[in-house]
Parts: sequence; C-alpha cells; structure tokens
Amino acid sequence: DSGVTQTPKHLITATGQRVTLRCSPRSGDLSVYWYQQSLDQGLQFLIQYYNGEERAKGNILERFSAQQFPDLHSELNLSSLELGDSALYFCASSVGGAGGKLFFGSGTQLSVL
Amino acid sequence: QQQVKQSPQSLIVQKGGISIINCAYENTAFDYFPWYQQFPGKGPALLIAIRPDVSEKKEGRFTISFNKSAKQFSLHIMDSQPGDSATYFCAARISFQKLVFGTGTRLLVSP
Repeated sequence: DSGVTQTPKHLITATGQRVTLRCSPRSGDLSVYWYQQSLDQGLQFLIQYYNGEERAKGNILERFSAQQFPDLHSELNLSSLELGDSALYFCASSVGGAGGKLFFGSGTQLSVL
Repeated sequence: QQQVKQSPQSLIVQKGGISIINCAYENTAFDYFPWYQQFPGKGPALLIAIRPDVSEKKEGRFTISFNKSAKQFSLHIMDSQPGDSATYFCAARISFQKLVFGTGTRLLVSP
C-alpha cells in the first residue's frame, strides 16, 4: 500500500458530463501529481501541485482543472467529457516538489459512454 | 525533446533468465532516471533509480546500467521469476520538475 488514496476506483459517466476525482496524498507529502494512463499514450503527466500552489503543467486539456486544498488533498475536475477521456487517472505524491520519488495511488478508472 | 523511448513493448523470458529493458532519451536536462513496476489494477511503484553521474546501480536482482554519452539506460532483472511479471516503465526527470515516462514494457516470466 503506497499510502496514497484515490476515490472513486471506478467512474462511469456519459459524454458532456463533469466528474471530480479525489486524491489524498501520503501523510507528510506536500506534492501531488496527476497522470493519465491510456493504452495508446502511456503515462501522461497532467499537472503538479506543491503545498497548494500549481508547480508544473503538462498535457492537461483546458476542460480539465485541478486544485490542492489546505489539507493537501487534491481534486481533478474533468468537464465536457468526451469518449477519448476514458482512461485510468493516477494521483501520486512526494515529500518535496522536485518530482523524484513518487508514490502512486491505485487510480480511478474513468469510462465515458 | 521531452520523450523517453522504451523497448521492447513486450518481453517473454523463462524463469531464471535475464530480462533486459532499454530506454533512450535526447534531452540532456534530464537529471534523474527511475524505473517503475506496475501490476494489474495497481499504480506504478518505484523499483530502482539512478542519477547520471553513476554508470550502474544494483539492488538485489535489479540493476540499472546508464550510458550518459549514448543517452541510454537499461534495466536488467537477473534470475527472473514469475512474480516479476508486470509492466515496467522507465522515466526521466526534467531539472527537478516532472517525470516523463516511457511507454512501458510488458514482461511475462514463464514458469
């Protein structure tokens, strides 16, 4: 068990809808990272937060947004969902913000029908 | 170029054999090179990592070989076991920022 908690484990929704994925980092970790994993794209970095502030941005669509709250948990919001957004979304955390040793949660499987 | 190219895509090795997975990169700003192991239904887990000033790092049956001049690094799994069957990802960190992952290698160790 990595200590990173992601909810829900599975999410099934329809095109055009909006969903929120939640992540609780390991105790003491200040950084949260979001990754998208799909069969054809592998693990794609979306965004990183460090102690409540956005630290780095990757290939995150404008329809997606994230935030990290004062208690350090993070939420990834996906809106106007399309079929192509179906993927496994991982949250990871680390002690610092240097993107080194990451601890991954078990992911949220999103299915857009 | 913020990419890490990983090969092979899949690999079948007999129990007791050596599994070798290769990765190549272009960006000299990469400063940290970890390998992650992922089992079905789980998130990736850090297996072993190396910094570019070291040519080899060994932890148990797992060894990273790093060739800075060739911009290549590889994972060797000695005495491969069926429990090693998983997907392996190489990764590279850009200047104390994000990790960029390779596309993954599915390893199957046959009994």
